[in-house]
Amino acid sequence: ETGVTQTPRHLVMGMTNKKSLKCEQHLGHNAMYWYKQSAKKPLELMFVYSLEERVENNSVPSRFSPECPNSSHLFLHLHTLQPEDSALYLCASSQGPGQGDEQYFGPGTRLTVT
Amino acid sequence: AQSVTQLDSHVSVSEGTPVLLRCNYSSSYSPSLFWYVQHPNKGLQLLLKYTSAATLVKGINGFEAEFKKSETSFHLTKPSAHMSDAAEYFCVVSAFNAGKSTFGDGTTLTVKP
Repeated sequence: ETGVTQTPRHLVMGMTNKKSLKCEQHLGHNAMYWYKQSAKKPLELMFVYSLEERVENNSVPSRFSPECPNSSHLFLHLHTLQPEDSALYLCASSQGPGQGDEQYFGPGTRLTVT
Repeated sequence: AQSVTQLDSHVSVSEGTPVLLRCNYSSSYSPSLFWYVQHPNKGLQLLLKYTSAATLVKGINGFEAEFKKSETSFHLTKPSAHMSDAAEYFCVVSAFNAGKSTFGDGTTLTVKP
């Protein structure tokens, strides 16, 4: 595997379910990100981790819970979601969190909440 | 504070004709600027970036962009469009760290045969 991988690629869950999204980067990067991409809305940054420490949390509801056990893996734990949480969830990584560091994105997980 | 405005939500060109996707930015500091492309059902891919070196930046697939500080612009161009260029394009400004990047709303490029 190369680059940034995400599993599953598609997920349908009910509002009472608990599920997790997984992201893995094979680039030796030190920073990882979760984004939410909804139709007709700008990309929304949810969480940023640098060297496994959370450095940004953009007022995300507590029903989204990130976990970064090491610099290669990032999880997004989901529980009691709402239909408006249906979106494409993108994971990205970068060498560092510096302003000049480009981000490498995974293909995303298409989440549908029913 | 920083912001980015992609001036066109949709651009349509014919194959073989030039492409121009416009991006204006606002930043209190010297920013880094990026263009990403997203094909359907895929993640974003970096096309090119500006980080205070040469103002004319060349990227992948024949794209280039010019940083114009006086106009606060970073427009993306390509001399000749190809059908495979049809996608969503995002302009991004980053003035502190990558975690505080601001993404534009995106421009959908359609390429007609």
